[in-house]
Amino acid sequence: GENVEQHPSTLSVQEGDSAVIKCTYSDSASNYFPWYKQELGKRPQLIIDIRSNVGEKKDQRIAVTLNKTAKHFSLHITETQPEDSAVYFCAAITSGSARQLTFGSGTQLTVLP
Amino acid sequence: ETGVTQTPRHLVMGMTNKKSLKCEQHLGHNAMYWYKQSAKKPLELMFVYNFKEQTENNSVPSRFSPECPNSSHLFLHLHTLQPEDSALYLCASSQEAAPRVDEQYFGPGTRLTVT
Repeated sequence: GENVEQHPSTLSVQEGDSAVIKCTYSDSASNYFPWYKQELGKRPQLIIDIRSNVGEKKDQRIAVTLNKTAKHFSLHITETQPEDSAVYFCAAITSGSARQLTFGSGTQLTVLP
Repeated sequence: ETGVTQTPRHLVMGMTNKKSLKCEQHLGHNAMYWYKQSAKKPLELMFVYNFKEQTENNSVPSRFSPECPNSSHLFLHLHTLQPEDSALYLCASSQEAAPRVDEQYFGPGTRLTVT
């Protein structure tokens, strides 16, 4: 089955700096890669996703890049703000008839004021 | 209430108890999911229902028993749990499941503590 590895597990940045979180996946047939943000005590919420037919997608301060050859994708947050502090999860879809999401272990991002 | 709701939000139960977690989605989605979230571990998919039919059971112990009476409601029946089952149990729904997977909308979760 699919295996998703996420790094780093914790990340601290100064407000205004950029943050990058990286994930690798094992199943070359995976074609959908969402990123979820989970604030403390709250539910995970989708912030951006990318499908394998594109290499990059941006939404204001958030961008995701995908390298299908290397089987890795990354989340980029620019001009970080304290409200960006949360746990971020990447995910990839498994192949086969079930096509379930497999999640990475999460990155605790802390934006220091 | 809109979106995905879960009750109860917190549950403490002994190892010999039987309890049920409830999830309801108000989004008109076709697929519903149960996940287990433990500290410092990835979200673990437990069960998937697509159009009320269970399509996946990811090697979940039989002490967890799901039920999906209709496309809007999902239950997780619990009995003779172990302390290591203490976790946040998240329900999610999506418009479609296999073969296409779309955004999953999560409920607030039930924080379960097994004593």
